[in-house]
Amino acid sequence: EPEVTQTPSHQVTQMGQEVILRCVPISNHLYFYWYRQILGQKVEFLVSFYNNEISEKSEIFDDQFSVERPDGSNFTLKIRSTKLEDSAMYFCASERGRETQYFGPGTRLLVL
Amino acid sequence: GDSVTQMEGPVTLSEEAFLTINCTYTATGYPSLFWYVQYPGEGLQLLLKATKADDKGSNKGFEATYRKETTSFHLEKGSVQVSDSAVYFCALTVTGGGNKLTFGTGTQLKVEL
Repeated sequence: EPEVTQTPSHQVTQMGQEVILRCVPISNHLYFYWYRQILGQKVEFLVSFYNNEISEKSEIFDDQFSVERPDGSNFTLKIRSTKLEDSAMYFCASERGRETQYFGPGTRLLVL
Repeated sequence: GDSVTQMEGPVTLSEEAFLTINCTYTATGYPSLFWYVQYPGEGLQLLLKATKADDKGSNKGFEATYRKETTSFHLEKGSVQVSDSAVYFCALTVTGGGNKLTFGTGTQLKVEL
């Protein structure tokens, strides 16, 4: 069964460094999402992406964040200058139509 | 704005006990409702969904009915197993709202022998 994959599974970085989180959505899906879950808190929407552009973003998704689908298969989330409060589990999700979002296993990001 | 409220956890049950996890919602439009489950060390998996009032979603013995009059989508299972131990998230999307999922805080379920 096709699934969403994410790499790396864990990343530790220093405050101020750039990180890129990678996702490979299910191949015939058209809508892509990033969510995050700070430890002990709820899962929060960051951004949705369709037709090579952002379709919606939350107030969390400020200028430090960007998304890209560089090659038609990968979907990346870049954080330009990480802060301590960016430490969280980041989930990628994809969706064929407006039906059901399928989630990846997540990347746990720790900013020191 | 849209929001989901879930009962606080953790919930600890004995195997074969009856499970209810309460979920209520507030939405500006007509939401679709979901239950996702997160097993230890894994991502979120869709458990069941309902897209309109009075629909019942069901999967793996779990059920939830979309109740518009009480704005609720409570999750139930008649007889839980140890393997059901996980965190359960209630969530919604709203038509015209970009299809982003709005999640509740999650309820941890622990099932013991």
